[in-house]
Amino acid sequence: AQKITQTQPGMFVQEKEAVTLDCTYDTSDPSYGLFWYKQPSSGEMIFLIYQGSYDQQNATEGRYSLNFQKARKSANLVISASQLGDSAMYFCAMREGTGGFKTIFGAGTRLFVKA
Amino acid sequence: GAVVSQHPSWVICKSGTSVKIECRSLDFQATTMFWYRQFPKQSLMLMATSNEGSKATYEQGVEKDKFLINHASLTLSTLTVTSAHPEDSSFYICSAIGQGDQPQHFGDGTRLSIL
Repeated sequence: AQKITQTQPGMFVQEKEAVTLDCTYDTSDPSYGLFWYKQPSSGEMIFLIYQGSYDQQNATEGRYSLNFQKARKSANLVISASQLGDSAMYFCAMREGTGGFKTIFGAGTRLFVKA
Repeated sequence: GAVVSQHPSWVICKSGTSVKIECRSLDFQATTMFWYRQFPKQSLMLMATSNEGSKATYEQGVEKDKFLINHASLTLSTLTVTSAHPEDSSFYICSAIGQGDQPQHFGDGTRLSIL
């Protein structure tokens, strides 16, 4: 069965510093996708970044990068140059290649950016 | 970018009332839509997956007769909470995937409060 683990319930980072949010996963499907979403206090889910299991390069989107270590089954999110607006809940998610696009989410990490 | 509209954003109603929540994909055809429930400070819990024109697939533990899902067209799915009770109070979020699309696109969610 697929599983997503986020071990950091909360993280603090100083404004303008970089921060890494951890995510490990478990699946027996060789084809899968990994996602990170941001959820501000208003509740909407904002897609940040995607990494496919066959992608050779780590995904990057602006200040977001995904540190994909396939052998270790980890997909950590790195946010560079943190901004106050980055304070939010962050969810790691995984979708297996089979199973009809079903996506499971980790427990989430709440990020607090300090001025 | 792809847009998913969810309505209403906030509902307060009396116990015993049935509540319908709509989820629309505004600029793409959603072959698959998902309904999630989120309790405060917790992750998203998948309730059901719906494909256009077919019956929804419910996750284990989700009452089909309680949470009626209809996906009548490629742009609209509805979730009806029947005879709602205070324990049904929660944040409900829908998401949609178009063909060949990678990330799920989420609606802004519906906060349901049953008095």
